[in-house]
Amino acid sequence: EVQVVESGGGLVQPGGSLRLSCAASGFSISRHWMSWVRQAPGKGLEWVANVKQDGSDKYYVDSVKGRFTISRDNAKNSLYLQVASLRDEDTAMYYCARENDGFDIWGQGTMVSVSS
Amino acid sequence: QSVLTQPPSVSATPGQKVTISCSGSSSNIGRNYVFWYQQLPGTAPKRLIYDNDKRSSGIPDRFSASKSGTSATLGITGLQTGDEADYYCGTWDNSLSAGVFGGGTKLTVL
Repeated sequence: EVQVVESGGGLVQPGGSLRLSCAASGFSISRHWMSWVRQAPGKGLEWVANVKQDGSDKYYVDSVKGRFTISRDNAKNSLYLQVASLRDEDTAMYYCARENDGFDIWGQGTMVSVSS
Repeated sequence: QSVLTQPPSVSATPGQKVTISCSGSSSNIGRNYVFWYQQLPGTAPKRLIYDNDKRSSGIPDRFSASKSGTSATLGITGLQTGDEADYYCGTWDNSLSAGVFGGGTKLTVL
C-alpha cells in the first residue's frame, strides 16, 4: 500500500523545537518532490515547504523561513521537518504529502501544539 | 488572507448541482495547473482533481473542474450527503516561489 505516516509532533513551549518525520512505504520518495502542509485548528490548509528529489532545492512559506528546515533521507525513504523558534501560530496538524500532479498522497498528520 | 480566493461556504439540496470558484492571479492560476482537494470532517485532505480538469483515480464523474485565465471552478452534480466536506483549490505561485491554497469552501448538503 502506498502511504506516508507522520510522527514527532507534541506539546512544546514557545521558542521550542521539534523534529517531524514522515515515513513512506509502497513507493520511493527519491522519485518525487515532497511537501509539508499544515492546518491550524478550525482553519484552512497552508503549504509549508517542499524539497526536490535529490534535496538540492527547497522552498518555504515566508512565515517559517529561517525557523523551519525541510530535509529528506532517500535511503531511509523518509522526509523530515525541523521546526524551531516555535510560535503560538505554528500550532497545527502537520501533513506530509507526495507531490505528483498536486498532492496525491497525504498522511494522517502529526499535531504540533505550542503553548506555555 | 489566502492567495487564492474561494467562497467560505456553499449549500444545496441532495441531487442538485453546485459550483465552487477559485480566483487567483497571473503568477499562480494563470501560469500553473490547478488542483482540487476534498477534506471530509476529521480526515486528511484527498486529491479530487489534478491538472485543472482531470479526476483522480476513483473519483466519480459527478465531480468536474475547469480553468479559465486566472480562475478555476469545481462542479459537483447529483449532490449526496456524503459530499459534505471542505473543498480547497491549490497551485504553485511563481512570484512567491511557494505552494498556495484557497481558504477553503464548506459544502453543506441540506
